Amino acid sequence: DGGITQSPKYLFRKEGQNVTLSCEQNLNHDAMYWYRQDPGQGLRLIYYSQIVNDFQKGDIAEGYSVSREKKESFPLTVTSAQKNPTAFYLCASSIGLYVSNQPQHFGDGTRLSIL
Amino acid sequence: AQSVTQLGSHVSVSEGALVLLRCNYSSSVPPYLFWYVQYPNQGLQLLLKYTTGATLVKGINGFEAEFKKSETSFHLTKPSAHMSDAAEYFCAVTYSGSARQLTFGSGTQLTVLP
Repeated sequence: DGGITQSPKYLFRKEGQNVTLSCEQNLNHDAMYWYRQDPGQGLRLIYYSQIVNDFQKGDIAEGYSVSREKKESFPLTVTSAQKNPTAFYLCASSIGLYVSNQPQHFGDGTRLSIL
Repeated sequence: AQSVTQLGSHVSVSEGALVLLRCNYSSSVPPYLFWYVQYPNQGLQLLLKYTTGATLVKGINGFEAEFKKSETSFHLTKPSAHMSDAAEYFCAVTYSGSARQLTFGSGTQLTVLP
């Protein structure tokens, strides 16, 4: 079955450490997204990508970085500059960035905590 | 700019009772509207969407929503709640050609009482 795979499901970060969250999709979607979810705040957009080697900052990009070297993959790095990284991170994809009438499909998330 | 307001961060209903989750949007152009459901420690699953056409939209698991332009609302309903409906529900809005894609509401946690 087609879908989005996020790994790991749980991740712990030490002070000063960068960590990378994996997101892989086999839906043949062009657009991919990273969201951060905190209790009571809904989903906030971190980065999004329309095509390979292109990505844009969302609302809360500070302290995060991404790459898009392959269509299927959109890893997110939480850097040491992100002072409050504890959250649930969701990756999503859609057919295309401007195909707004089609839904986004979500992975099952990665829960990141500080040690 | 577009925005979404979900009234009531927590809603409790008895099993078999009507479920009503409220969503109001703000958009300067005709919106596309979505409802998603999230079970604990999982991603979001699409319940239903409104883009154009019929304003009463039916989705999965017996849910439906009605787009009311005059009220800028897209409330989610289900005639009879089931224990398995307990989850968090998110309303989201975008519009045709948007590069920003979805703007989400802050969510409504639905509890179903036996």
